[in-house]
Amino acid sequence: AQSVTQLDSHVSVSEGTPVLLRCNYSSSYSPSLFWYVQHPNKGLQLLLKYTSAATLVKGINGFEAEFKKSETSFHLTKPSAHMSDAAEYFCVVSDIGYDMRFGAGTRLTVKP
Amino acid sequence: DAGVTQSPTHLIKTRGQQVTLRCSPKSGHDTVSWYQQALGQGPQFIFQYYEEEERQRGNFPDRFSGHQFPNYSSELNVNALLLGDSALYLCASSLGQGGGPSTDTQYFGPGTRLTVL
Repeated sequence: AQSVTQLDSHVSVSEGTPVLLRCNYSSSYSPSLFWYVQHPNKGLQLLLKYTSAATLVKGINGFEAEFKKSETSFHLTKPSAHMSDAAEYFCVVSDIGYDMRFGAGTRLTVKP
Repeated sequence: DAGVTQSPTHLIKTRGQQVTLRCSPKSGHDTVSWYQQALGQGPQFIFQYYEEEERQRGNFPDRFSGHQFPNYSSELNVNALLLGDSALYLCASSLGQGGGPSTDTQYFGPGTRLTVL
């Protein structure tokens, strides 16, 4: 069965420093992987997705993620954090069918 | 272009009651999925509707049912409410090209927060 594990429930960085949010996945098939962001009182927004093309995926707002099959990982990075990046981030996997499995989320705090 | 809208924003019910939540998809979208997000957790897939039929269902009891109308809007119904049904209910819409989430990007609404007392 497909599943994801987000390795950190909370990450805190200073503004202008790099961001790393870690995600490991499990799937019996060739999965599609996604990162979504959830700001308070707003809907989930898609940051980026991997669908078996290039392993390095660039998303919106300067975020990118690298698919590493050997490590079953799909970590999200950003070179320089901005205050507006503070939010909840979800790693998501989908292999067969139409459902998506979300991780438990990582809360990103950005300190001034 | 209106995005996904959900109503109501908040709802308070008591145990044993029934509730109906509503979702209007993004313009041009024909597929609606529903998710339950308990406090401090990631969303869990309830079911997806396409062409007015339930196409796939997650691990939720029959108390959870849905409907899709010809204009693609959708309702989520929950019967015999339990305290554990308290959560944020999210609706997502997509254009159903048949490839699943890899091709059919899902756009989420802001959710309906249900509190069961």
